Amino acid sequence: EAGVVQSPRYKIIEKKQPVAFWCNPISGHNTLYWYRQNLGQGPELLIRYENEEAVDDSQLPKDRFSAERLKGVDSTLKIQPAELGDSAVYLCASSFQTLYDEQYFGPGTRLTVT
Amino acid sequence: KQEVTQIPAALSVPEGENLVLNCSFTDSAIYNLQWFRQDPGKGLTSLLLIQSSQREQTSGRLNASLDKSSGRSTLYIAASQPGDSATYLCGASGSRLTFGEGTQLTVNP
Repeated sequence: EAGVVQSPRYKIIEKKQPVAFWCNPISGHNTLYWYRQNLGQGPELLIRYENEEAVDDSQLPKDRFSAERLKGVDSTLKIQPAELGDSAVYLCASSFQTLYDEQYFGPGTRLTVT
Repeated sequence: KQEVTQIPAALSVPEGENLVLNCSFTDSAIYNLQWFRQDPGKGLTSLLLIQSSQREQTSGRLNASLDKSSGRSTLYIAASQPGDSATYLCGASGSRLTFGEGTQLTVNP
């Protein structure tokens, strides 16, 4: 069974440019998460979807970050415009039904903003 | 707000040693606790999930325990191997999964 798929794996952009990350969760998983992981720290939740609904986006910086999950499957996370402080690894995860099910993570996208 | 702390931040042991990684959390109202490993440049791999009603879970050489009342969990690794070298993260699941900063483990041949 395929795991969580993310692309691209690496991205280097100049500040003020836009960037987008894509995630395909494990088949049949209703809940999808986007996390940001800074160097030497644990992941921090940005947004959680249950099917198509964003049920927890309280930690998403909405002035520059946006996300969508069309048809309750794939998801895209966008940053516009990017800032130097956005350099981090962006991780996508999914779980079967709810937040309390085991979470499975993708390999992440390493973003470098110059 | 949930806060998760992992001690030690780094650990280096010779191959074959048994070791314990510690995780503490401030809010005992959790639904479960998960332990993950993360290899350099990779995502997180789930190792064990302990429900709040459970005391421990075992998988091969790994054993995780949970004491909700004291806000603590431990991950025990038996007979460590060089392939166990990685960063180990614990996550406490309340309104969201909150992670510690991890313990970087090095097992020397």
